Amino acid sequence: AQSVTQPDIHITVSEGASLELRCNYSYGATPYLFWYVQSPGQGLQLLLKYFSGDTLVQGIKGFEAEFKRSQSSFNLRKPSVHWSDAAEYFCAAFKAAGNKLTFGGGTRVLVKP
Amino acid sequence: GAVVSQHPSWVICKSGTSVKIECRSLDFQATTMFWYRQFPKQSLMLMATSNEGSKATYEQGVEKDKFLINHASLTLSTLTVTSAHPEDSSFYICSASRGPGELFFGEGSRLTVL
Repeated sequence: AQSVTQPDIHITVSEGASLELRCNYSYGATPYLFWYVQSPGQGLQLLLKYFSGDTLVQGIKGFEAEFKRSQSSFNLRKPSVHWSDAAEYFCAAFKAAGNKLTFGGGTRVLVKP
Repeated sequence: GAVVSQHPSWVICKSGTSVKIECRSLDFQATTMFWYRQFPKQSLMLMATSNEGSKATYEQGVEKDKFLINHASLTLSTLTVTSAHPEDSSFYICSASRGPGELFFGEGSRLTVL
């Protein structure tokens, strides 16, 4: 079955420290991959997406993600987090047809002063 | 970026009543819209895929008669929770597709059933 896994339910990081959120997918072929951020009580904002090409993808708010086919991973990174980065982060995927997204379980990021 | 608007953003209703939530793509036409449900501190679960001018496709386990979806135009899809009960309380989020891989999410609608 197609699935997206985010192994870390929550991560606490100090402001200014680096952040890496893990995402693994299980699909028959490489799906389209996305990272979204959700602030409490709000909808989802797209951070970045990967369809093909360069495996290092730059997104908004200083985030980047690296696609690694050999590891079926699409990890999200940020070199230096800000207090405003505290939120829930979702990795998602879909196959070429249908636009039907499958979400990972989410990772809640807490930022310590 | 494209804008998707949901209304209302929150609603409280009595048990047994029906509630309608609207999802509008404000600056593009969306042939396909999606409805998700999100429980507190959990991920988004796809409920159904809504195609303009045709019946919605529901995910396994989602009651079609409970959650009525209508996609009457290229910019509007509605979700009606019929005979709502407290267990239907949740955060409902829609997304609209502008093309392959181009999905835009609404702000979500929080439903509380008393």
